[in-house]
Amino acid sequence: RKEVEQDPGPFNVPEGATVAFNCTYSNSASQSFFWYRQDCRKEPKLLMSVYSSGNEDGRFTAQLNRASQYISLLIRDSKLSDSATYLCVVNTANNNDMRFGAGTRLTVKP
Amino acid sequence: SQTIHQWPATLVQPVGSPLSLECTVEGTSNPNLYWYRQAAGRGLQLLFYSVGIGQISSEVPQNLSASRPQDRQFILSSKKLLLSDSGFYLCAWSVQKGNSTDTQYFGPGTRLTVL
Repeated sequence: RKEVEQDPGPFNVPEGATVAFNCTYSNSASQSFFWYRQDCRKEPKLLMSVYSSGNEDGRFTAQLNRASQYISLLIRDSKLSDSATYLCVVNTANNNDMRFGAGTRLTVKP
Repeated sequence: SQTIHQWPATLVQPVGSPLSLECTVEGTSNPNLYWYRQAAGRGLQLLFYSVGIGQISSEVPQNLSASRPQDRQFILSSKKLLLSDSGFYLCAWSVQKGNSTDTQYFGPGTRLTVL
């Protein structure tokens, strides 16, 4: 089993749609969780951290379920500029490195 | 503010040639430093990380090596490149906070093609 698994994608949605990405992780001792965004041929950039109580940043909402070892990202009112690959990132018990999911590609169409 | 630089941006090298990629960080002291590789259509694979000068941890066996000669400088090297070394190489930094690390921030990457 991979340490971090994401929805296979790709997701193709119209502008204004709501889209949700899921991610599961295998290490129950993981402590930190993040969503990164990666544009084509660019470096990953932090989108948001994921807190135990769930957190929201504008149109983006992240949820964490430790019991199920599951993380989600919800994007409301999708914009064309949201088109990118979204990476689920989990720190390992080592605390000195992160494990990245393979990413889910999102394309928002007019 | 902190910035991270990588060079070169792109590189085309023949099989068997040496490699040296450089990464430098500005605006922070004693950062944790990381080298990742991202193959086409694949996720990021951690290659090396460093918590201080001269301290290198390797995640996977390979023909690559890393060095940290200065606090904010991280170098990825190879004596002889293989075709399978092609990929997008990303350097990242983070701050150690107690027993855990803060968010990782990535440099712009080096796209390496081995022919």
